[in-house]
Amino acid sequence: EVQLVESGGALVQPGGSLRLSCAASGFSISDYYMDWVRQAPGKGLEWVGQIKTRPEGYTIYYGPSVRGRFTISRDDSKNSLYLQVNSVKPEDTAVYYCIRNARAWFDPWGLGTLVTVSS
Amino acid sequence: DIVLTQSPATLSLSPGERATLSCRASQDINNYLAWYQQKPGQAPRLLIYDASNRATGIPARFSGSGSGTDFTLTISSLEPEDFAVYYCQHRANWPLTFGGGTKVEVK
Repeated sequence: EVQLVESGGALVQPGGSLRLSCAASGFSISDYYMDWVRQAPGKGLEWVGQIKTRPEGYTIYYGPSVRGRFTISRDDSKNSLYLQVNSVKPEDTAVYYCIRNARAWFDPWGLGTLVTVSS
Repeated sequence: DIVLTQSPATLSLSPGERATLSCRASQDINNYLAWYQQKPGQAPRLLIYDASNRATGIPARFSGSGSGTDFTLTISSLEPEDFAVYYCQHRANWPLTFGGGTKVEVK
């Protein structure tokens, strides 16, 4: 069964940092682009960023609201995806989803991990 | 950035009725559109990709159509489990964006 399990969400103060992890099982992430999408409480979906595969040089793209503050990385040997979140703001409060990018679409999604930014 | 506008924001229908959801793009996105379903407390699930292709395991009552700037998700006959929020999303260029969502609720 294909599964994605995020972890690392927590309460963090404005300006702080956090590292989110995503453990994949049932498939090898080395074969796929991987994405992060977030959802603020009671709000819609916002794409955070994407990391491509090794043959494509692990190229990364970011959404405009996180570019320069967030960093996506992957460790194919551990079948894991990461999101380093720096200089957090209250508007970064959201559930963060790890997603396999299959045929250029998001499938499946992880269960999500909650990041709360508050003093 | 490409803006996806979904309408209506809320659709109030009864089980067995037909649901028609709209997604309009601010510029031509060819057929690079997907639809996702999200139920309360759950992660979104891919329903339709490339505008009209059903994802694996998605019932035939779900169908997608459209190209260019105007897209439609149709649920031919609503089942109780279909009451949820639906989002469209494009992959035509960077950044990827989602529509604001349509909530399908029980009338």
